[in-house]
Amino acid sequence: QKEVEQNSGPLSVPEGAIASLNCTYSDRGSQSFFWYRQYSGKSPELIMFIYSNGDKEDGRFTAQLNKASQYVSLLIRDSQPSDSATYLCAVRYSGYSTLTFGKGTMLLVSP
Amino acid sequence: GAVVSQHPSWVICKSGTSVKIECRSLDFQATTMFWYRQFPKQSLMLMATSNEGSKATYEQGVEKDKFLINHASLTLSTLTVTSAHPEDSSFYICSASHGAYNEQFFGPGTRLTVL
Repeated sequence: QKEVEQNSGPLSVPEGAIASLNCTYSDRGSQSFFWYRQYSGKSPELIMFIYSNGDKEDGRFTAQLNKASQYVSLLIRDSQPSDSATYLCAVRYSGYSTLTFGKGTMLLVSP
Repeated sequence: GAVVSQHPSWVICKSGTSVKIECRSLDFQATTMFWYRQFPKQSLMLMATSNEGSKATYEQGVEKDKFLINHASLTLSTLTVTSAHPEDSSFYICSASHGAYNEQFFGPGTRLTVL
């Protein structure tokens, strides 16, 4: 069974801190990994994706992938109150066009 | 780039009526589109995968005769909720695949309320 696990949170961090969001997945036959942000009452918005081991940086966001340990993480530097949202981790497994989503981690950034 | 629109953004209908939701890729062609449903404070639930010119693939437990999906062109997929009932009230979101890694880009969603 293909599963994606995330801590539901909430993860609370002060403004300016680094927020670290983690995600584990069950199947080594995975292909690519995606992080989405979803504000309350809105649809998900793609933040970034990663497909090879290591780090990928985009502005204040860094995605980290470790296929051997089957985890992917998202770091948000200089967190802002506007970053307060639910962050969804999604995995595309080899041979599938669909994404398997985790339940999401709620992030709260306090001023 | 990679903009997906949905229409309507919200709809209220009476029990027993049918509602059609449109999903359009505005600046790219989407061979594959997806339909999700999300209940309050719950995670996204994939309903079906829609491929242009072919029948949709429904996830287990989703009634294909109740949720009719049509993907007649590379920029438009529609979801029709037939004989809607209050338990169908939910947030319906479509997405479309685009890019080298088939990233999914989501539409803004349609909030359906069935009275």
